[in-house]
Amino acid sequence: DTEVTQTPKHLVMGMTNKKSLKCEQHMGHRAMYWYKQKAKKPPELMFVYSYEKLSINESVPSRFSPECPNSSLLNLHLHALQPEDSALYLCASSQVQLSGANVLTFGAGSRLTVL
Amino acid sequence: DQQVKQNSPSLSVQEGRISILNCDYTNSMFDYFLWYKKYPAEGPTFLISISSIKDKNEDGRFTVFLNKSAKHLSLHIVPSQPGDSAVYFCAASDSGGGADGLTFGKGTHLIIQP
Repeated sequence: DTEVTQTPKHLVMGMTNKKSLKCEQHMGHRAMYWYKQKAKKPPELMFVYSYEKLSINESVPSRFSPECPNSSLLNLHLHALQPEDSALYLCASSQVQLSGANVLTFGAGSRLTVL
Repeated sequence: DQQVKQNSPSLSVQEGRISILNCDYTNSMFDYFLWYKKYPAEGPTFLISISSIKDKNEDGRFTVFLNKSAKHLSLHIVPSQPGDSAVYFCAASDSGGGADGLTFGKGTHLIIQP
């Protein structure tokens, strides 16, 4: 299995809702990532988990709350979002290796619309 | 300030010819560079990478060239095929291995014309 699976593919939510994005991989990767991508912009790193521990938080607002229940799963909990948070949210995973290029495997993304 | 820049939002190339996609970077600490390809409604998929200690890496129709002094890299696709039509992202990392994430450029939309 060489896939990263993200659900849901599309999500529409109001500013008072609580929802979650889910990501799953079965490649034995021990690093997992959340990226945010807005139209005509590059993917921007939000969070990195390494061995199920949060290792990087790129100053993301607290209305985004990541969770890594185990080495295969990564969630992004959403609460009190703003319309400007509407974007494509990409999950990725990679090996944690001592050297070499850090090749990330991406999911297809979850398209989030905040009304 | 963007650390990885792809200044051409789009590029149109005839089928069978060479496609050259360019990328510039500003962070001299970057030591690995990667190219990703993205089709609509799919996630980016890894194409090819290069270490900062090399100036060329080749994989089939894809070759990446790195000019470290100019902080510039390019991806050559030859011959270009219709299935190559996609958005191409240049990405970079500043550590060997680990799990530090990648810094991406905005992407170049490559269109291969029959």
